[in-house]
Amino acid sequence: EVQLVESGGGLVQPGGSLRLSCAASGFSFSNYAMNWVRQAPGKGLEWVSSISGSGSTAYHADSVKGRFTISRDNSKNTLYVQMNSLRVEDTAEYYCAKGIDSGNYSPDYWGRGTLVTVSS
Amino acid sequence: QAVVTQPSSLSASPGASASLTCTLHSDINVGAYRIYWYQQRPGSPPRFLLRYRSDSDMQQGSAVPSRFSGSKDASANAGILLISGLQSEDEADYYCMIWHSSAVVFGGGTKLTVL
Repeated sequence: EVQLVESGGGLVQPGGSLRLSCAASGFSFSNYAMNWVRQAPGKGLEWVSSISGSGSTAYHADSVKGRFTISRDNSKNTLYVQMNSLRVEDTAEYYCAKGIDSGNYSPDYWGRGTLVTVSS
Repeated sequence: QAVVTQPSSLSASPGASASLTCTLHSDINVGAYRIYWYQQRPGSPPRFLLRYRSDSDMQQGSAVPSRFSGSKDASANAGILLISGLQSEDEADYYCMIWHSSAVVFGGGTKLTVL
């Protein structure tokens, strides 16, 4: 059974930093691309970042480019996103999502999310 | 104009069918894309329902009932999620998605009310 468990969310001041983690199990982690997708309160889904199975290729949304960095540790079956220079508008539930096929970034399985609140 | 557009809401009766549309920007051709569909109930993460490019290139999500199906309307440049035999549990937000220009692109979502 695929399981994705996010952690690391919390309250942070504007300009601060946070690192989210996503522990994966139930599939061959290194064979699949992974994603971060967020959802602001009462709003729709917004893609944040994607990374290839090897970790050699990463993509970021324009809204977070230069501030967020996605990474992964395949030896630990864990996905990360380092979030710097956080803004109030980064407040959201952050979901980790597995790519549907080897080499395909499009999400299929999703975690339950971790809440990030950026506020002074 | 957004890359992917969905109507904000739709209402339908129990037992009826609902057709949710996902319209692509006029600069891109729906025929070239796999359209992904997700369901999100209140308080829950999104759930992958299905993906559809053509009748020979489609995939149902794990444990997703066959009353959820995908198609396309090339004349409207749109992907379609058809839900037949509507049940109260189908009341949820539905999002479509494409992979475009090295990015995951979501539509704004359609809130489906079953009443």
